[in-house]
Parts: sequence; C-alpha cells; structure tokens
Amino acid sequence: EADIYQTPRYLVIGTGKKITLECSQTMGHDKMYWYQQDPGMELHLIHYSYGVNSTEKGDLSSESTVSRIRTEHFPLTLESARPSHTSQYLCASSESGAGPEQFFGPGTRLTVL
Amino acid sequence: AQTVTQSQPEMSVQEAETVTLSCTYDTSESDYYLFWYKQPPSRQMILVIRQEAYKQQNATENRFSVNFQKAAKSFSLKISDSQLGDAAMYFCAYRSGVEYGNKLVFGAGTILRVKS
Repeated sequence: EADIYQTPRYLVIGTGKKITLECSQTMGHDKMYWYQQDPGMELHLIHYSYGVNSTEKGDLSSESTVSRIRTEHFPLTLESARPSHTSQYLCASSESGAGPEQFFGPGTRLTVL
Repeated sequence: AQTVTQSQPEMSVQEAETVTLSCTYDTSESDYYLFWYKQPPSRQMILVIRQEAYKQQNATENRFSVNFQKAAKSFSLKISDSQLGDAAMYFCAYRSGVEYGNKLVFGAGTILRVKS
C-alpha cells in the first residue's frame, strides 16, 4: 500500500545525543518535506527536497540537517539534541508537476531532556 | 511573502449541526492553491479539500465545502451534518502555483470540538 512512514513515533532522549528521524514513502514522489510543529501550533517548513541529491532549507531556521540519497528516503538528523529541539516533526511528500497535494506521515514526537 | 490567518483558535458545534471555519490569506500572486487539512488528536494529517484559485466554482467534498472569495482573499470551510469524527485541528494552507514554489504556508489552526 502506498504510504508515508516515520520512525520512531515517539522519542525521549538526553541532551547532546545525536538522533536521526526516519521518513520513507512508497508513492514514488519526487518532492519531500520536513515540518516542525509545536503542540497546538501551526506547521513550519524546515527542509525540503525536489529529488535525489537536492535539499534546501525551509522558512524556519533549524539546526537539523537532511539528506536525499534515495527517492523514497528523507532522513533528518540532529547532531547534538537540545531541549529547544523538543517538538513534533512531520514528514510529507508530493508529486512533481501539476499535483499539488502533500501527503503527511504520522509524525515523530521528540522530547529532549 | 504569503501569509495565512485563522482567526478562530477554537470552535464548537453540536453533532448534526453546521459549522464554518474562517481563513484569510495574503498574496500578490494570481495563480495558487488553497487547502484545508485535518489533524485529529495523535493521528495523521489528511487533506480535507482543495481549491484552485483559477476556478470560480467552490470546491465540495461530501459534507465539506468551501466559500472561496478571491477578491477578499477569504477561504472558509463549511462542515455540514457534523459528526464526532470531525473533531480535530483544522489547518488552512496556501501553495503558490509556481512549480518550484510547492511549499505549503499554514495558518495557526482551529480546534474543532463536536458535542454529542
């Protein structure tokens, strides 16, 4: 079944740890996105990719980094987690061309102690 | 830069009644798309309805319809015959019509509570 997956769903980690949030989609979409969402608040774009080896920073500054080595995979990495990184991270994907709809993953709720 | 404003942080509706969620946006573009997304508690965000700016006809999806007023830059969502499963956070979002501008700009969201 075509879908978009994120792991882990929940993560509690100590300050200074390196973490990678995984995002994979089986829809063959070229475009992928990472959003950050604080509880009850709007989503802010932090990274996006238009295809393999293409990554751009979004509108909200983030200390995280991303990579896009395979079409289906768009992981987000924090080299040294801090309490200010506590948030929910949502991954999304969309087709290129005329199909503007973005499909969202279930999200990863990150807590940094 | 485009902005999206949802002025209602929270709304309540009685089951089977109708509710309207408001959204206004600001843009200088003529070609764009507007969306309403639904985010249930602890569940995946899903698309409810979308509207292409070049279409004058308001989009409709079953119990969900929009009132798109392009000149006023207003894009409200009407939910008819509200159901308990409609309870969620609703986000209005804007997307430029330019191919490489496929980023979504979200409003702050409206929490919808449905009372039985």
